Amino acid sequence: GAVVSQHPSRVICKSGTSVKIECRSLDFQATTMFWYRQFPKQSLMLMATSNEGSKATYEQGVEKDKFLINHASLTLSTLTVTSAHPEDSSFYICSATEQGGTEAFFGQGTRLTVV
Amino acid sequence: AQSVTQLDSQVPVFEEAPVELRCNYSSSVSVYLFWYVQYPNQGLQLLLKYLSGSTLVKGINGFEAEFNKSQTSFHLRKPSVHISDTAEYFCAVTPGANFGNEKLTFGTGTRLTIIP
Repeated sequence: GAVVSQHPSRVICKSGTSVKIECRSLDFQATTMFWYRQFPKQSLMLMATSNEGSKATYEQGVEKDKFLINHASLTLSTLTVTSAHPEDSSFYICSATEQGGTEAFFGQGTRLTVV
Repeated sequence: AQSVTQLDSQVPVFEEAPVELRCNYSSSVSVYLFWYVQYPNQGLQLLLKYLSGSTLVKGINGFEAEFNKSQTSFHLRKPSVHISDTAEYFCAVTPGANFGNEKLTFGTGTRLTIIP
């Protein structure tokens, strides 16, 4: 199956700094990418949907100025957590779909810890 | 809008016993249904999916699920579980039309624990 690579898998940053997470589709063109956040022992909560070349669509309650999403190419989307705070600590997961596909492919996730 | 209910948050099962993880959904349009498995600190791996056609769907690792439109259910089953099946399982739904541009709606997950 198709592969989505997410990097880094784990990151620790200081409060007030910014962190960038990359999501790459390795062997297909991802027309749409999704960013999720998962709290411990909970389900995935969609943060935003991004289409290549256009602005991301954020879910209600998600601060777009804090969680910057860029989908500059058909194989790369990035999520930047700006001015991170301890409450931003979480597991972030991306997924990607291709035009005409019937399956979403998920990255390995990024464990963000803000200290 | 779609919603997914996974009735059991935790399911303990003895090794080699059968298991069923329940999933019910609601939607006003036709949907695609999925089961994903998540191991600790990892992303999601697709177990199986229902798009159309036969209501009994077979997936990886010996899992299968049956789509029941009248009961709006998509329960996951395995006749004999192994220790390696210990993981979190998520049921998800998305509108069948315009797949790829529509988000997946996930259930709250079921933690399957296999007891040796």
